[in-house]
Amino acid sequence: KAGVTQTPRYLIKTRGQQVTLSCSPISGHRSVSWYQQTPGQGLQFLFEYFSETQRNKGNFPGRFSGRQFSNSRSEMNVSTLELGDSALYLCASSFTVRGPANTGELFFGEGSRLTVL
Amino acid sequence: TQLLEQSPQFLSIQEGENLTVYCNSSSVFSSLQWYRQEPGEGPVLLVTVVTGGEVKKLKRLTFQFGDARKDSSLHITAAQPGDTGLYLCAYTGFQKLVFGTGTRLLVSP
Repeated sequence: KAGVTQTPRYLIKTRGQQVTLSCSPISGHRSVSWYQQTPGQGLQFLFEYFSETQRNKGNFPGRFSGRQFSNSRSEMNVSTLELGDSALYLCASSFTVRGPANTGELFFGEGSRLTVL
Repeated sequence: TQLLEQSPQFLSIQEGENLTVYCNSSSVFSSLQWYRQEPGEGPVLLVTVVTGGEVKKLKRLTFQFGDARKDSSLHITAAQPGDTGLYLCAYTGFQKLVFGTGTRLLVSP
């Protein structure tokens, strides 16, 4: 079955602009999580959506937002871009939400690499 | 959020060598996962360990969960260039997967 698809793969923006990234989860998966990956901070959790509702949010400013559509596709938006937002943004899908009893696999996309100049 | 410290941060070895990567914390976990991320790709799950003292083997990779469920190790026997990548341990925190600091492995022919 098709994997997690993220678009665009690469993009360059300038400070102050905004960006929207898209994620199509594996068919049948209803949970979508977003992570930011940088060399200095590693993989940091942004937020998780399940059935169009945000279930959890990481420690990021309000400039970072997201949403999920009825078909489980998700978008994340970063407004007023800063140089420090340059990163690989990874989307991951799973059948259900994370929880202590859920040791299931997260399926990641290849990521969207954002460069802010 | 508990911290997962991985060591070493970087490892550069020759093909055929053995290596061990460590994932340590002061907290107890119900389970730990190991992921590998190859250049240009997203992380891919290698294994989940759930029982203290558990050992799981995946071809040349051996994973161990510490008896106290606070740490884990990954041992690779006879490393190959295809093992090159970023190795990440992770635990399920409150409604999210929390990743360790990562070990970047380079295996040269």
